[in-house]
Amino acid sequence: EPEVTQTPSHQVTQMGQEVILRCVPISNHLYFYWYRQILGQKVEFLVSFYNNEISEKSEIFDDQFSVERPDGSNFTLKIRSTKLEDSAMYFCASRFDRNNEQFFGPGTRLTVL
Amino acid sequence: KNEVEQSPQNLTAQEGEFITINCSYSVGISALHWLQQHPGGGIVSLFMLSSGKKKHGRLIATINIQEKHSSLHITASHPRDSAVYICAVGGGADGLTFGKGTHLIIQP
Repeated sequence: EPEVTQTPSHQVTQMGQEVILRCVPISNHLYFYWYRQILGQKVEFLVSFYNNEISEKSEIFDDQFSVERPDGSNFTLKIRSTKLEDSAMYFCASRFDRNNEQFFGPGTRLTVL
Repeated sequence: KNEVEQSPQNLTAQEGEFITINCSYSVGISALHWLQQHPGGGIVSLFMLSSGKKKHGRLIATINIQEKHSSLHITASHPRDSAVYICAVGGGADGLTFGKGTHLIIQP
């Protein structure tokens, strides 16, 4: 069964460093999302991406964040200068169209020291 | 901005019991999602519904659009149902707004 994959599963970085989190959505899906979950808190929406551009972003998704779909398969989230409060589990999700459920990747646990 | 409230926050039950988890939201939506999150962190979609009722195995989800309320039921609960159940709302290309989740423990 097709699934969303994410790499790495765990990333440890120093404050101020840039990180890139990678996702491979399900191949025929058209809508892509990034969410984050700080430990012990609810899942929060970061950004949605469709037709090679951002369709919606939350207040959390400030200038330190960017997303890219550099080829036909990968979907990346870049954090330019990480802060301690960026430590969280980051989930990628994809869906085929607007009327279908979202499929979530297993997540990348980001730890900023 | 939609507010999503779930109840109860925590629920412990005995194997075989009928489980109900409730979700309410503040602003009209096009779709509501029920998700399951296991201790390892992975999130699995259980249902996406915009009206009426859906059933999958021992799981049943209902939604009342007028009352802005949805319920997730588990029949004949089993310890393997132990997980966090999350209600989320959203539609179209937009991202989801999540509730805080219900921590369910089913004891043998």
